[in-house]
Amino acid sequence: AQSVAQPEDQVNVAEGNPLTVKCTYSVSGNPYLFWYVQYPNRGLQFLLKYITGDNLVKGSYGFEAEFNKSQTSFHLKKPSALVSDSALYFCAVRDIHHSGTYKYIFGTGTRLKVLA
Amino acid sequence: DVKVTQSSRYLVKRTGEKVFLECVQDMDHENMFWYRQDPGLGLRLIYFSYDVKMKEKGDIPEGYSVSREKKERFSLILESASTNQTSMYLCASSLAGQGVDGYTFGSGTRLTVV
Repeated sequence: AQSVAQPEDQVNVAEGNPLTVKCTYSVSGNPYLFWYVQYPNRGLQFLLKYITGDNLVKGSYGFEAEFNKSQTSFHLKKPSALVSDSALYFCAVRDIHHSGTYKYIFGTGTRLKVLA
Repeated sequence: DVKVTQSSRYLVKRTGEKVFLECVQDMDHENMFWYRQDPGLGLRLIYFSYDVKMKEKGDIPEGYSVSREKKERFSLILESASTNQTSMYLCASSLAGQGVDGYTFGSGTRLTVV
């Protein structure tokens, strides 16, 4: 079965410093990986995805993620954190139901707190 | 701007009530999903639908049912609300195909059962 793990419940970083939010995956076949962000009392917003190709994927709001096949990781990164980046971040992997419908399995989330 | 709209942002219901959560999307997506979100547990899939009148159980369907009479609308029903169903409920939709586009989410409904 497909799965993702986010090993950190919370990450604290000072404004202006680089940030990393970790995600590891376990899949059979090629992984389709996604990052979403959730601001308080809101739904999840798409940030970026890895399907194939370049291992460094660029997304919204200056975020990027690095796909590493040997380490089965897909860490989210940003060179310089902003206070407004403080939110809940979810990693997800594509899965397929026996009906043929594609769906996504989400990690437990990592709360990012950027300190001024 | 394309969107998924959940009819209520906050709901307070009494134990034993029948509760309807509504979700409408305007993107002509084939697939629609209901998740619940709880701290430390992430998002857990309750039910999904890949076509009108079609539904499939997710990981935690007990105590819930769904209805999809029209392509754009997917309703989650709590047959007899209980306090352990207090949660954030998220609706999402996606295109059929190879699953490369991800979900579009609604803003969520925070349900409290008292």
